[in-house]
Amino acid sequence: DIQMTQSPSSLSASVGDRVTITCQASQDIRNDLNWYQQKPGKAPKLLIYDASNLKTGVPSRFSGGGSGTDFTFTISNLQPEDIATYYCQQYQNLPVTFGGGTKVESK
Amino acid sequence: QVQLVQSGAEVKKPGSSVKVSCKASGGSFSSYTLSWVRQAPGQGLEWLGRIIPMFGTTDYAPKFQGRVRLTADESTSTGYMELTSPRSDDTGVYYCARGNSGYEFSFDYWGQGTLVTVSS
Repeated sequence: DIQMTQSPSSLSASVGDRVTITCQASQDIRNDLNWYQQKPGKAPKLLIYDASNLKTGVPSRFSGGGSGTDFTFTISNLQPEDIATYYCQQYQNLPVTFGGGTKVESK
Repeated sequence: QVQLVQSGAEVKKPGSSVKVSCKASGGSFSSYTLSWVRQAPGQGLEWLGRIIPMFGTTDYAPKFQGRVRLTADESTSTGYMELTSPRSDDTGVYYCARGNSGYEFSFDYWGQGTLVTVSS
């Protein structure tokens, strides 16, 4: 299985801050990577697919980048509604695997 | 719009079996793939497997091969996940999630989740 290592596991930030999360794959996954947002008690929500493509309707303050084994996810101007846990997910090889998650909290 | 509606919470004893349903509406059920993802309490996301309803073909994560069975009924646009011989560490929320054409593993629609509690 491909291991996805996300960091940090949690962070505290203020409204307006720039937040960056990294995700590292245990082998080359090209750009076969998605990012999801999950709020407590809710199902995950797809934000970015193919490493850098913003899903329709998702605010442009969210962005993703990288390829191969190293990826980044950025919130450029943190808003109160962005407080959530974020997961990366690879789909280059089965089984699909997720990173351990990054909990973004309000400072 | 597309909706995935799952069956209600279950409480099961170890060694029994549990079956969760996921009814789709608002889209073409057979045109997509349906994956199942679980989340243990306070933990991350874990993919169990997927089914292509049009063909009935399945793929499973090795960890769940032989313990999870995915099926789909095109006539009712419903997918099913059956977990056999559940253990206490199978307790968690089970989600169905739709994969889009060309993006089978980019899950753009999710069910609301079904809490499965395994306890003696």
